[in-house]
Amino acid sequence: AQSVTQLGSHVSVSEGALVLLRCNYSSSVPPYLFWYVQYPNQGLQLLLKYTTGATLVKGINGFEAEFKKSETSFHLTKPSAHMSDAAEYFCAVSESNTGKLIFGQGTTLQVKP
Amino acid sequence: DAMVIQNPRYQVTQFGKPVTLSCSQTLNHNVMYWYQQKSSQAPKLLFHYYDKDFNNEADTPDNFQSRRPNTSFCFLDIRSPGLGDAAMYLCATSRPPGSASVTFGSGTRLTVV
Repeated sequence: AQSVTQLGSHVSVSEGALVLLRCNYSSSVPPYLFWYVQYPNQGLQLLLKYTTGATLVKGINGFEAEFKKSETSFHLTKPSAHMSDAAEYFCAVSESNTGKLIFGQGTTLQVKP
Repeated sequence: DAMVIQNPRYQVTQFGKPVTLSCSQTLNHNVMYWYQQKSSQAPKLLFHYYDKDFNNEADTPDNFQSRRPNTSFCFLDIRSPGLGDAAMYLCATSRPPGSASVTFGSGTRLTVV
């Protein structure tokens, strides 16, 4: 069975600082991996995804993530945090045979001025 | 723009009174999903349709039902809402399973009073 673990339920950074949100997954097959962002009372917006090919994936709003098979990780980074990045972030893995997404518990990103 | 639309955005229902949430899509995707997201938790899949084939998650309560009359529409019926059913309900769509393209609606926030 597939699973996702997000290390750190809350991350706080200063505006302009590096953002690093950690995600580790468990999967017996090559995974599809995703990062979603959720603002209060909103749905989920896709930031980026990894399917195959290049392991460094660039997404929207300056975010990127690197798939590291040896570490079973898919950490999300952004070089310089902006106040508008404050939100809930979910890492997810997809079951290839159903398309079902299995989510991590989420990380709340706080950006301090 | 092609999208997933959920109505209403906010729904208040009385304890035990049946309620229906709706989802429509203009993406012509084969698969439609319903996720439940309780406060400060990750989204949890309730069920999904692949075309007309209904797939219920093993731990989805019998209180939750779904209908998909055509490709574009999908409904979530809660027969007798309890206080524990208060949550954000997210509809999502994708192309056939195995696709890495999942699109979420904005969600319906359900309050049970």
